[in-house]
This record gives sequence, structure tokens and C-alpha cells, in this order.
Amino acid sequence: QQPVQSPQAVILREGEDAVINCSSSKALYSVHWYRQKHGEAPVFLMILLKGGEQKGHDKISASFNEKKQQSSLYLTASQLSYSGTYFCGTEYAGGTSYGKLTFGQGTILTVHP
Amino acid sequence: NAGVMQNPRHLVRRRGQEARLRCSPMKGHSHVYWYRQLPEEGLKFMVYLQKENIIDESGMPKERFSAEFPKEGPSILRIQQVVRGDSAAYFCASSPRTATYNEQFFGPGTRLTVL
Repeated sequence: QQPVQSPQAVILREGEDAVINCSSSKALYSVHWYRQKHGEAPVFLMILLKGGEQKGHDKISASFNEKKQQSSLYLTASQLSYSGTYFCGTEYAGGTSYGKLTFGQGTILTVHP
Repeated sequence: NAGVMQNPRHLVRRRGQEARLRCSPMKGHSHVYWYRQLPEEGLKFMVYLQKENIIDESGMPKERFSAEFPKEGPSILRIQQVVRGDSAAYFCASSPRTATYNEQFFGPGTRLTVL
């Protein structure tokens, strides 16, 4: 089962904030966040490993709630360059799932001037 | 420090032909993953390889598809007797795979079109 991302799409004006959620029904080992622009490769943003871990750089940060098996990506003071599709990739705990990423369906973020 | 390299970037094949996609991981990375992305869809895991070993091929179709990562040279994803449904973007990602972290960095992809 793939993780579920919400919302499916977000439209913002420059300077506004957004939150993208990623929920799993299976126990997670790690959550990876990527941004992909149309026709390009996914670009790695960050990885969260431990329950309760938070990370961030510049104006993009993320959290991982191990109890809820959920991660959230926070984009503050959005810029035009933030536009793209955001994917979470989950690595499940235990067994043969270790290593491969299962991706959500993506969240399309559009930032207007 | 060069990133993940893939070639060709675009590949056109007729039904029934073979497609060979190559991936050179980042320097120092010995773990390679292949993912497929159909138009307007998300990324789907295909296979995970280390040098000379297939670790997990649970996402790869049993027929027509094969992958290798030899001791020397790039990783190769091979699709025999291609069909129209194989048209997609194929991305490989590499990872240094430390004891705890498994950041995966993607190459630019190969866009396969089957006529």
C-alpha cells in the first residue's frame, strides 16, 4: 500500500505558507521528501528517520510523528521556485521492505506572483 | 562531484525491440535503485541492486525485464520485446547507504517511447 498524501493540490501566492501531509498504514522506518518539476528528475529535500524527528533548511522543514505514522512538510514564505510536485517516499520497518521507497501519489504545488 | 548519470536521456523503440538503459551512480555510492514513472503518475519501485547482487526485485515484472550492476561499469536495466505499455520515464537513484541513513539521489531519467 502506498502512503497517502494530502492535499492533492495547493495554490499559493508568493510569501504564503503550505503544509503537505503523508500518512502510512504501515510502520515506517524513514520518510523521504522530494520535489519534482515537470519533465525533470525528483530532487531530494530531506530524510527523517526517528519518530518525532524534525529537520529543516532554508524555509522548508519537516516532521515525523512515529505514533501516527505520519510526516508533514512545511513550506514557509513560499517562492516561485517552490512550484512543482512534492512526493513523500516511505521506507517501511522490518523484513524485505528495507531499502526501497514507496511513493505517495504526489501533491502539486503552484506558487503565483 | 558528478551526480547520478543516466543514458540515453531519450530512447525510441518499436514494439518487439530491446531497450537498454544505463545508470552510473554517484561517486562512492554502491547502492542503485530503479524506479518507473508513468505519465502523470508517481514513482514505482522496480529493483534494488548492489555491486554484483540483486537485493530486491519485487517491483520488476517477471518477464522481459532484467537488471544488473556489474563489478565494473554502470547498472543496466534491460527490457526485451518492448510493448507500448513500457513507455515511461525510468529513473535510477543511488545511495551511499550508511548504517542508518539511505538518502537516494535521482538521475535525470531515461524517457522510453515505444512506437
